[in-house]
Amino acid sequence: NAGVTQTPKFRVLKTGQSMTLLCAQDMNHEYMYWYRQDPGMGLRLIHYSVGEGTTAKGEVPDGYNVSRLKKQNFLLGLESAAPSQTSVYFCASSYSPMRDLTDTQYFGPGTRLTVL
Amino acid sequence: AQSVSQHNHHVILSEAASLELGCNYSYGGTVNLFWYVQYPGQHLQLLLKYFSGDPLVKGIKGFEAEFIKSKFSFNLRKPSVQWSDTAEYFCAVNARIYNQGGKLIFGQGTELSVKP
Repeated sequence: NAGVTQTPKFRVLKTGQSMTLLCAQDMNHEYMYWYRQDPGMGLRLIHYSVGEGTTAKGEVPDGYNVSRLKKQNFLLGLESAAPSQTSVYFCASSYSPMRDLTDTQYFGPGTRLTVL
Repeated sequence: AQSVSQHNHHVILSEAASLELGCNYSYGGTVNLFWYVQYPGQHLQLLLKYFSGDPLVKGIKGFEAEFIKSKFSFNLRKPSVQWSDTAEYFCAVNARIYNQGGKLIFGQGTELSVKP
């Protein structure tokens, strides 16, 4: 199993450009999440999905959109990138929703995004 | 608002020294507690987790953590660190929020550097 994979690994954008980050998991997990990691702030939840065709906002959703058209994929989109979105983005997946307090989230390798 | 606080941002130790990384959370309800590790250039991996039972939890690579409910703490310990333990360590709390399911909240992270 590859686990959770993310593409691309690195990307540099200019302000105003758009892009999509792809997350894929082969563990048949129902739930998927997008986080951003910034120095001194830990990881913050952007959006999450509790199943195919469903998405919900997390802690810092502004400026991002997501889609979950297939169970194994979770896409994060930036329609008009801003320098404040320079960050490392991590995707994660889990068997059950965050409300199941015993579950563990499995993380992808991350995407380092720089917006100039 | 719920939060997780890690006391040390950067810890530098020599090999064989003992390690203790502090983690406190501010949530009075039911919680699960996690420690994740991120080795340089890699994704987050689960070190250990606590959800019930013995408050002293043992994880991989000789790490352990103790849940002290009265202190809202979940400190990570290792008796003797190795150079290969150089990484960033994140404490996380999964807190049940009424009518919204759980939410994984991360601390700011502690960077551990072990000198050979």
